[in-house]
Amino acid sequence: EVQLVESGGGLVQRGGSLRLSCAASGFTFSYYWMSWVRQAPGKGLQWVANIKQDGSEKYYVDSVKGRFTILRDNAKNSLWLQMNSLRVEDTAVYYCARAPSFDYLDVWGLGTTVTVSS
Amino acid sequence: QSVLTQPPSASGTPGQRVTISCSGSSSNIGSNYIYWYQHLPGTAPKLLIHRNNQRPSGLPDRFSGSKSGTSASLAISGLRSEDEADYYCAAWDDSLSGYVFGTGTKVTVL
Repeated sequence: EVQLVESGGGLVQRGGSLRLSCAASGFTFSYYWMSWVRQAPGKGLQWVANIKQDGSEKYYVDSVKGRFTILRDNAKNSLWLQMNSLRVEDTAVYYCARAPSFDYLDVWGLGTTVTVSS
Repeated sequence: QSVLTQPPSASGTPGQRVTISCSGSSSNIGSNYIYWYQHLPGTAPKLLIHRNNQRPSGLPDRFSGSKSGTSASLAISGLRSEDEADYYCAAWDDSLSGYVFGTGTKVTVL
């Protein structure tokens, strides 16, 4: 069964850091782009970042550029999102998603919640 | 704010057909594939339509997608109570070098 399980969310103060993890199973992780998408309370979905199969290409939404870093380790079937200089507006449920190509997401995890307090 | 615009809500009675529009521009829908996702609160979002009008295997043919120019639409026919959810269009935006979601449409089954 294809599965993505996020972890690492929690409560952090403004300006702090957090590292989200996504454990993948049931498919060949190295064949796929991977993405992070978030949903702030009461808001819609917002794409955050994606990374190519070999990590050679990474793209970010403007609001997180310079603060967030997407990483992967194909040997460990793992994806991470390193979040620094967190802002209150980064408060959201963060989803990990598998991407057959850079522009679509076919399998999603259940998400992990990040709360940034002021 | 999102660069893809959807109506905030849509509704219908069981068995009816509901259509959701998605309006974009030449840098996103006009030059790239459109995708549609269904999201029920507290669950993982689900891919409904890929590459404009393709359904993932196992998805009922009640869901269909289309695209014309810089706009796209999702149609749900034979509406069922389990279709009550939020629906999002999405596409790659060449100007932003990023993936953009629509504003989202909440579908209510009356």
